[in-house]
Amino acid sequence: EVQLVESGGALVQPGGSLRLSCAASGFTFNIFSMNWVRQAPGKGLEWISYITGSSSAIYYTDSVKGRFTISRDNAKNSLYLDMNSLRVEDTAVYYCARVALAGRGYFDLWGRGTLVTVSS
Amino acid sequence: DIVMTQSPLFLSVTPGQPASISCKSSQSLLHSDGKTYLYWYLQRPGQSPQVLIYEVSSRLPGVSDRFSGSGSGTDFTLKISRVEAGDVGIYYCLQGINFPRTFGQGTKVEIK
Repeated sequence: EVQLVESGGALVQPGGSLRLSCAASGFTFNIFSMNWVRQAPGKGLEWISYITGSSSAIYYTDSVKGRFTISRDNAKNSLYLDMNSLRVEDTAVYYCARVALAGRGYFDLWGRGTLVTVSS
Repeated sequence: DIVMTQSPLFLSVTPGQPASISCKSSQSLLHSDGKTYLYWYLQRPGQSPQVLIYEVSSRLPGVSDRFSGSGSGTDFTLKISRVEAGDVGIYYCLQGINFPRTFGQGTKVEIK
């Protein structure tokens, strides 16, 4: 089955760290660019990071630059998000999302998300 | 950063009636390759988002032809010709021409 499954979400204190994982299955992971998108409780979608299949290009939204790091291990069919210096405003469901091939650019496959709660 | 502005933010629609959502971008989404990188997503209650439309007006396989996208440059519209109960949720536009990618605020569609 073609799917993405996020894990690693937890309750963490402000200033803490967390690593999210996204396990891909059912497709050739290394040819797809990937993203992390988050959704704060009751709020809209916010794109936060992108990585190409070879990790040759990486982008972040300003609010997480210097605190979050996206990476991938193609041998393990896995995408990661290392989150440091967490803030209350980072509380959200974090989704990984695949970018469609053929230059279409849209996110054609999403996981179900993992909840990160930053609170003291 | 490109700002995506949707309107209205809330729609209450009678089944069988049409609905229309506007999305305006602060910069043109027309790329030098001739494509316009504007997408529409639907997030049904309790679910992950799913893409409906790419490059302004191209429907994904399996998406009902009741959904249509139009527009150019900075002004875009998603239309639902006859709203059904299964269309409830929050609709988002997304621009794919620049990083950071940016979503509209979302338009919540409910059935009257």
